[in-house]
Amino acid sequence: AQTVTQSQPEMSVQEAETVTLSCTYDTSESDYYLFWYKQPPSRQMILVIRQEAYKQQNATENRFSVNFQKAAKSFSLKISDSQLGDAAMYFCAYRSYNNNDMRFGAGTRLTVKP
Amino acid sequence: DGGITQSPKYLFRKEGQNVTLSCEQNLNHDAMYWYRQDPGQGLRLIYYSQIVNDFQKGDIAEGYSVSREKKESFPLTVTSAQKNPTAFYLCASSFRPGLAGGSSYNEQFFGPGTRLTVL
Repeated sequence: AQTVTQSQPEMSVQEAETVTLSCTYDTSESDYYLFWYKQPPSRQMILVIRQEAYKQQNATENRFSVNFQKAAKSFSLKISDSQLGDAAMYFCAYRSYNNNDMRFGAGTRLTVKP
Repeated sequence: DGGITQSPKYLFRKEGQNVTLSCEQNLNHDAMYWYRQDPGQGLRLIYYSQIVNDFQKGDIAEGYSVSREKKESFPLTVTSAQKNPTAFYLCASSFRPGLAGGSSYNEQFFGPGTRLTVL
């Protein structure tokens, strides 16, 4: 079974600065999807960004971008120009190509300091 | 507005009681899921259903039961056999892989969650 590891239980960043959250995964599959979800204090899970494994180009969504290193099985999230509203738990997730079984990491709690 | 609703937001259960958590979606998704979230452990899959009248156990199904009589609804019952039910429960839905109507990502959309506490 695939596993997802987030090695940073907590991270902090100064407002307007950049922060990178780490995620690694273990799989023997060649095709799959990767996601970053944000869970603010309201606990609503919100999709931040997604990446298909066969696409070499890193996904970008406004201030959020990923560094996808397929050979290293690494999928880090970079948040630029951090805002107070970015404070949340961030979960990395893996989904196999042919089924909807999604595996989540344990999460990283991001604090943004004003 | 399309979305996923869960009720109640907070639920208290006495020892030995069964309780049912509601999950409804109007996104026309085929697949629905139940996750349990404990502090420091991320989300763990309890049950999932790819189609009406069919569902499969996830990683931590013991002490839980589900039904899928309608496409829109996927209620979760926490039975008295679940020894440590205090947790935050999240319901999600998505399209099935390969079906028209969704992106190839088939990302899961989540409800607002139910906080269950055993008294």
